[in-house]
Amino acid sequence: QSVLTQPPSASGTPGQRVTISCSGSSSNIGSNYVYWYQQLPATAPKLLIYRNDQRPSGVPDRFSGSKSGTSASLAISGLRSEDEADYFCSAWDDSLSGWVFGGGTKLTVL
Amino acid sequence: QVQLVESGGGVVQPGRSLRLSCAVSGFTFSNYAMHWVRQAPGKGLEWVAIISYDGSNKYYADSVKGRFTFSRDNSKNTLFLQMNSLRPEDTAVYYCAREGASYSGIDYWGQGTLVTVSS
Repeated sequence: QSVLTQPPSASGTPGQRVTISCSGSSSNIGSNYVYWYQQLPATAPKLLIYRNDQRPSGVPDRFSGSKSGTSASLAISGLRSEDEADYFCSAWDDSLSGWVFGGGTKLTVL
Repeated sequence: QVQLVESGGGVVQPGRSLRLSCAVSGFTFSNYAMHWVRQAPGKGLEWVAIISYDGSNKYYADSVKGRFTFSRDNSKNTLFLQMNSLRPEDTAVYYCAREGASYSGIDYWGQGTLVTVSS
């Protein structure tokens, strides 16, 4: 059981907007930054969003992050076939003194 | 360019030990905290440990605390993960990764090395 809760799957058609949620608690999301990672099949994860809503250089602005209270969301607009991947949220947990990940959401582009 | 290359994975029996290494290049290694993150076959990411830039501070996941030891040699740009008392549930791809500056997340990852714990 992951400390951060994500839906196991999400889907959308090309061009659509999809949102992936990440639910935590006061000891992690509620008091620390949220990060999002994208993992394409058979590859290492890639940083997608840092500090809740910041994009590293090279990440398209179709990807956006937000946080409210103990929950966070990743939105992908203008969905493309190459967005088909697993997405993971992450945060530092003050109670555990360690990083925690969500269980991951598998995004399918129909 | 930034490169992180893990090595040392393989098949090991339960209860035995294994040491992973991660050779780093392309940035000033001694300025950055570093992570190990693992992924069991077909499963999600699990954070394992983090070490500060100078090795003075380390934090571990509860699942490996007391069994795994994270260390670094800044003179050789290398990380080590000593894994003792291995269990079948430690079977995973192990990634070494860089913690970016100023809360910028895990910004670079290695390609991973597979550890299989099985009799």
